[in-house]
Amino acid sequence: SYVVSQPPAVSVAPGETARITCGGDNIGQKSVYWYQKKSGQAPVSVIHIDSRRPSGIPERFSGSNSGNTATLTITRVEAGDEADYFCQVWFSPDHPIVLFGGGTKLTV
Amino acid sequence: QVHLVQSGAEVKKPGASVKVSCKASGYAFVDFAISWVRQAPGLGLEWMGWISPYNENTNSAQNLQGRLTMTTDTSTNTAYMELRDLTSDDTAIYYCARDLLGYDFWGQGTLVTVSS
Repeated sequence: SYVVSQPPAVSVAPGETARITCGGDNIGQKSVYWYQKKSGQAPVSVIHIDSRRPSGIPERFSGSNSGNTATLTITRVEAGDEADYFCQVWFSPDHPIVLFGGGTKLTV
Repeated sequence: QVHLVQSGAEVKKPGASVKVSCKASGYAFVDFAISWVRQAPGLGLEWMGWISPYNENTNSAQNLQGRLTMTTDTSTNTAYMELRDLTSDDTAIYYCARDLLGYDFWGQGTLVTVSS
């Protein structure tokens, strides 16, 4: 079975750059999606198809995906970016299923 | 604009069933699959399954097969998720989400508490 792994926590100071990784075997051959989840709120899509920003998401959010690692990068981090971030891929052993990473708590 | 509005919180006893609704508006309901995702207290997001309102094709996580039923009603643009034989491990917030380029719109979440 395919496993998607994330670091449990990342901590950065305001104004710095946060990088959150999502690891998986040849994940670079899959499309990776990223969601921001704040306590008490529904998840919000911040990156789709590896690197594309949905409408309304600041340019400070970017994504990349190559080899065995996908990365969500947040530049000029603000206090409001503090949240859990989850990566997501589709996996198709015989029929397609969705896998989420375990989530990364970003502390600012 | 797109909205997904879910039914209210539920409290169930172990062994019972729960049915959560997700009413869609602002787009052509039959054109996009709906997925169900849950988050148990202190844990991450768990994908449960998806359903196509167009033809009611479904696919679900292996660990939920046999307990999970997903349906849609295209006359009311509503998706439903029913989970049977509940245990305390099913205590979670349940979300519906529209499947387009990942999950672009989410319901507000429905808290399901399983307690004796």
